[in-house]
Amino acid sequence: NAGVTQTPKFQVLKTGQSMTLQCAQDMNHEYMSWYRQDPGMGLRLIHYSVGAGITDQGEVPNGYNVSRSTTEDFPLRLLSAAPSQTSVYFCASRYYRADSPLHFGNGTRLTVT
Amino acid sequence: KNEVEQSPQNLTAQEGEFITINCSYSVGISALHWLQQHPGGGIVSLFMLSSGKKKHGRLIATINIQEKHSSLHITASHPRDSAVYICAGRAQGGSEKLVFGKGTKLTVNP
Repeated sequence: NAGVTQTPKFQVLKTGQSMTLQCAQDMNHEYMSWYRQDPGMGLRLIHYSVGAGITDQGEVPNGYNVSRSTTEDFPLRLLSAAPSQTSVYFCASRYYRADSPLHFGNGTRLTVT
Repeated sequence: KNEVEQSPQNLTAQEGEFITINCSYSVGISALHWLQQHPGGGIVSLFMLSSGKKKHGRLIATINIQEKHSSLHITASHPRDSAVYICAGRAQGGSEKLVFGKGTKLTVNP
């Protein structure tokens, strides 16, 4: 199993550009989520999904869009990149049961200039 | 004030020492995760607790839901334990949202 795969690993965008961060998992996990990690802030939840066709907002959803058309994939879209979105982004997944641990991707380091 | 507070923020130890990292939370939670983030940035789940105590190798995690407190212990610490340790609480009531502490940076010197 590949686990949770995130692409790309690094990305530089100009203000106003759009892009999609990809996240895929091959463990048949129902729950998938996106986080951003900023210095001194800790991890913060952007959006999450508990199954195909179901998404919900986290703590910091503004400027980001998600969809979940399949169990495996949960892409994160930046609609119009801003310098405030410079961060490290992590995707994570788990089974939808109370005792299931989180599995994280390796992260995407995004810089918006 | 963050809903999840970790202490200490930074911790330096000598190899072989017993390490304790604390996590306190101000909201009711149903479960708590302990995560390890390596210097390269990757994040690994260590424990998921809803009550009592769990042990894996040299790592022990405890939680007291009523007192809103959890601890992560490392026995016989080793330089390879150097990492950032993060706790994250899952809110009560079936919420799928996690609230994270800011992490404890542990450095174990040989």
